[in-house]
Amino acid sequence: GQSLEQPSEVTAVEGAIVQINCTYQTSGFYGLSWYQQHDGGAPTFLSYNALDGLEETGRFSSFLSRSDSYGYLLLQELQMKDSASYFCASPRSNDYKLSFGAGTTVTVRA
Amino acid sequence: DTGVSQDPRHKITKRGQNVTFRCDPISEHNRLYWYRQTLGQGPEFLTYFQNEAQLEKSRLLSDRFSAERPKGSFSTLEIQRTEQGDSAMYLCASNDPVNTGELFFGEGSRLTVL
Repeated sequence: GQSLEQPSEVTAVEGAIVQINCTYQTSGFYGLSWYQQHDGGAPTFLSYNALDGLEETGRFSSFLSRSDSYGYLLLQELQMKDSASYFCASPRSNDYKLSFGAGTTVTVRA
Repeated sequence: DTGVSQDPRHKITKRGQNVTFRCDPISEHNRLYWYRQTLGQGPEFLTYFQNEAQLEKSRLLSDRFSAERPKGSFSTLEIQRTEQGDSAMYLCASNDPVNTGELFFGEGSRLTVL
């Protein structure tokens, strides 16, 4: 099966940089995704890393190291609207049935 | 593209009653997934359809749960004889296999069993 571990919460000030780490143990690995979820909202896709390295999308970047079974999401130039839960997730097969971590709650303070 | 829509958004029911949730996926997506999410946790996979075929059911899906996607478009998730432990957010998602790794989620149907 899949097991993904991430910190439960992070607090930072506006303009700061936050890194959310995710370590995984999987019986088969098809890549690492990141999703954002605001309170009461739908999870929304942020990024997907199938291969090692850094993927950058605006203020957010995601990194994967398959040899270390580790990835992270980097949030730069934090804004108040970035306060949300962030989930790492991994497909259990190429059918994209995702296993999610428990989520990291990011709180951005003024 | 109107996104994934779910109905109802909120449902309060008494223990023992049956409830049904509906999901309308993005029209061109042939894969549809149901997940369950409880407070402070990530979504947990329940079941998945490719077109009208239900290809996998999680062990979380007891025999009180049934899901259908009769014409390969919308899907329903029915819970019979609800229990308090069924209280959760039920999320539907759809996927275009070309878009690697991305699921499009609806805003969910929140179930409260009293």
